[in-house]
Amino acid sequence: ETGVTQSPTHLIKTRGQQVTLRCSSQSGHNTVSWYQQALGQGPQFIFQYYREEENGRGNFPPRFSGLQFPNYSSELNVNALELDDSALYLCASSLRHTGELFFGEGSRLTVL
Amino acid sequence: DQQVKQNSPSLSVQEGRISILNCDYTNSMFDYFLWYKKYPAEGPTFLISISSIKDKNEDGRFTVFLNKSAKHLSLHIVPSQPGDSAVYFCAAGAKVAGGTSYGKLTFGQGTILTVHP
Repeated sequence: ETGVTQSPTHLIKTRGQQVTLRCSSQSGHNTVSWYQQALGQGPQFIFQYYREEENGRGNFPPRFSGLQFPNYSSELNVNALELDDSALYLCASSLRHTGELFFGEGSRLTVL
Repeated sequence: DQQVKQNSPSLSVQEGRISILNCDYTNSMFDYFLWYKKYPAEGPTFLISISSIKDKNEDGRFTVFLNKSAKHLSLHIVPSQPGDSAVYFCAAGAKVAGGTSYGKLTFGQGTILTVHP
């Protein structure tokens, strides 16, 4: 059984640039969620995707957008990067009817 | 508005003793609670969960207790081992209104547990 994998693991961008982060779900999971974890904080919900549609969104501006593909993999896109976007971005997969999330190792984004 | 709070940023325990990690929540709509463990440079790993219809769930050395009236849950680790040293996150969720699926999880800030040999 393959776990959740994310890429890239680390990246550095400058303010105003755009970034795309990728995630492959755990085998058999049909729901993908994205979380942002700032230093010293718990993960904060960005959005969730089910059957390629957004299925809930947290308190993040529209420049945070996402996609889910037919194979349940997902992308997180962030436009017009700001310094405060520097964080660990976590992807988690799950089955829709359960509340347990299975996380990847995360993508560490640094915005300079 | 912090709906899930872990008021202890850190906890230090001797190997073999009990570790008790605490979590408080404010939203009465939460009906499902989870604990995650996180090592540096890794994603959070699911440990144990409890539904709001129960007040206790046990899995090996890990037991979660839920006090709904106090909106409080705790994780007990007995006996504690040095390998348990990590950041522990409490999380809460609720079923999407009228449905059978779960939406977002709301996480606490985490508690750093250090177990000394």
